[in-house]
Amino acid sequence: AQSVTQPDIHITVSEGASLELRCNYSYGATPYLFWYVQSPGQGLQLLLKYFSGDTLVQGIKGFEAEFKRSQSSFNLRKPSVHWSDAAEYFCAVGGPTNTGNQFYFGTGTSLTVIP
Amino acid sequence: GAVVSQHPSWVICKSGTSVKIECRSLDFQATTMFWYRQFPKQSLMLMATSNEGSKATYEQGVEKDKFLINHASLTLSTLTVTSAHPEDSSFYICSARSVREQYFGPGTRLTVT
Repeated sequence: AQSVTQPDIHITVSEGASLELRCNYSYGATPYLFWYVQSPGQGLQLLLKYFSGDTLVQGIKGFEAEFKRSQSSFNLRKPSVHWSDAAEYFCAVGGPTNTGNQFYFGTGTSLTVIP
Repeated sequence: GAVVSQHPSWVICKSGTSVKIECRSLDFQATTMFWYRQFPKQSLMLMATSNEGSKATYEQGVEKDKFLINHASLTLSTLTVTSAHPEDSSFYICSARSVREQYFGPGTRLTVT
């Protein structure tokens, strides 16, 4: 079955500290992987995506993620967190249209940044 | 990336009335669009898949007679919440599917009084 697991419901980090948000997926075909960020009352903003190739993906706002096929993971990282990074983060998995249209979302990780 | 718009961004309606939410893909043609519902502090819940020119496919537990979806063109899908009740109050997000990814609209906040 297709699914995405974000084990951490809530994470608190100090401003300037490093961040890693975990994402594990189960997908029966070639996965396309995504990280989105959502501020309160706002829509989803794409941070980064992985389709193929280099397994370390750079995104916006200084975020990066690494695809590890052997671990079925796509963890999001940032070396130094800013107060404006406080938001909800969602990991998602999809695939080529010939494997189905649906995307699967994790339950989200809420990030709090302490000054 | 591609742009998807939603209108309105925020709507208040009285219980028993109907409200229509529009989702437009502004710079590409989307044969497939999705409608999601999101409760506070929760993830997106897929409500239905909207295919241009055909009936929408609803997820289990979603009342198709209550949430009417029309995908009349390659750039427009509409969600009509009929006979709205306070429990329908939520954040509704649409997305448009391209070859490899989805592009999300900014969401519509529906409040039913």
